[in-house]
Amino acid sequence: EPEVTQTPSHQVTQMGQEVILRCVPISNHLYFYWYRQILGQKVEFLVSFYNNEISEKSEIFDDQFSVERPDGSNFTLKIRSTKLEDSAMYFCASSEGLAGETQYFGPGTRLLVL
Amino acid sequence: QKEVEQNSGPLSVPEGAIASLNCTYSDRVSQSFFWYRQYSGKSPELIMSIYSNGDKEDGRFTAQLNKASQYVSLLIRDSQPSDSATYLCAVNIFRQAGTALIFGKGTTLSVSS
Repeated sequence: EPEVTQTPSHQVTQMGQEVILRCVPISNHLYFYWYRQILGQKVEFLVSFYNNEISEKSEIFDDQFSVERPDGSNFTLKIRSTKLEDSAMYFCASSEGLAGETQYFGPGTRLLVL
Repeated sequence: QKEVEQNSGPLSVPEGAIASLNCTYSDRVSQSFFWYRQYSGKSPELIMSIYSNGDKEDGRFTAQLNKASQYVSLLIRDSQPSDSATYLCAVNIFRQAGTALIFGKGTTLSVSS
């Protein structure tokens, strides 16, 4: 069964450093998403991406964040200058598009900012 | 502010019982509703989606939607210890791809053997 994959599974970084989180969405899916979940809190939407453009973003997704589809398979989330409060689990999701809006989640990357 | 509310629990049921999980949402125009299961430290795993008023059954799971009351529920029949997890209710305001899912905080279910 096709699934969303994410790398790395864990990332530890120093405050102020840049991190790039990587995702490979399900191959025939057209819409891609990033969510985050701070420990003990709810899953929060960050951004959605379609046809090489951001289609929707939340207030959390400020200028420190960017997304990119650098090739035909990868989808990345970059945090330019990490803060302590960026420590969270980051989930990538994808959906088929058109009538298939159900979102399927990857296993997540646990980011720890020290 | 669009909100999805769930009782955080824990909800404790014995093995073989019916577990009932509830969710309310604030935005009356919401169109798509999802239940995800999340084991500790893992990602949300889709259980069911529901779009129309009434019941939708899939195996041991039944989702119920009442748009007039802005209420969606999940029933788990014949609960098993492996069902012990946090159950997340998620709402999509628009029934279309590319839009955000708004999640509740989740209800923790504990099934004892």
